[in-house]
Amino acid sequence: NAGVTQTPKFRVLKTGQSMTLLCAQDMNHEYMYWYRQDPGMGLRLIHYSVGEGTTAKGEVPDGYNVSRLKKQNFLLGLESAAPSQTSVYFCASSSPPSVRTQYFGPGTRLTVL
Amino acid sequence: GENVEQHPSTLSVQEGDSAVIKCTYSDSASNYFPWYKQELGKRPQLIIDIRSNVGEKKDQRIAVTLNKTAKHFSLHITETQPEDSAVYFCAASRFSGNTPLVFGKGTRLSVIA
Repeated sequence: NAGVTQTPKFRVLKTGQSMTLLCAQDMNHEYMYWYRQDPGMGLRLIHYSVGEGTTAKGEVPDGYNVSRLKKQNFLLGLESAAPSQTSVYFCASSSPPSVRTQYFGPGTRLTVL
Repeated sequence: GENVEQHPSTLSVQEGDSAVIKCTYSDSASNYFPWYKQELGKRPQLIIDIRSNVGEKKDQRIAVTLNKTAKHFSLHITETQPEDSAVYFCAASRFSGNTPLVFGKGTRLSVIA
C-alpha cells in the first residue's frame, strides 16, 4: 500500500495563477483532510470531507476550493494564488468511527511569488 | 468551537533527561487527545493518543496524562534520545461524529547529546 500520496511535491506559482493539488489514498478511508502548515502556526485545517461527494469548511477555507468526486481522491484548488498562500500543504485521511488516527501524505511545498 | 493551546513552543533538554509538553483545550465535549510527531522535512505521525475514559496511557518511553476537570493533557518523554528531536503537536476532538481534530501550534523539541 502506498498510503497517502500527494502530487506535486513542489510548485512555484506567480500571483494570480491557478493550480490543483491532488491527494490520493489507497486505504479505503472515508474521511480526508487538507491542512496548511506555516512556521509557528501548527496545522490548520482548510477543508475536509466525510465521504465521497461531500466537503466542509475548516478553519482557513478562504481562497481554496475542494472536490471529492471519488472516495480515494481529494483535490485542493487555488483559483487565483496569492503570496499569503505560500505554505506546505498536507493531506490526511482517516476512517472513523472506530479509528481516528490520521495518516498524512508527504506534503506539497508551494511558493507563490 | 474547540481551541487548543500548546506550551512551550520550543524546548531543549539534555540527552537522558525528561521532556514535558502541555496542552489545554476549551471544549468540554472533547474526549479524544492524540499526539503527533513531525521530524524535520517529514509528515506528522501519530505517536500516542488517549481517550477521556482513562487518565494516563504509556507506551515505552512516552506517556500522556489527562486532567478532564482542568481541561489539560500532557506528553511526557523519559530518557530522551537525539532521535526524539522533532516538532510535537497535540490535538483534541470528539471521538465520534464528524468533528475534525483541532491541533495545537506545536512544540519544537531539541535533545542535546
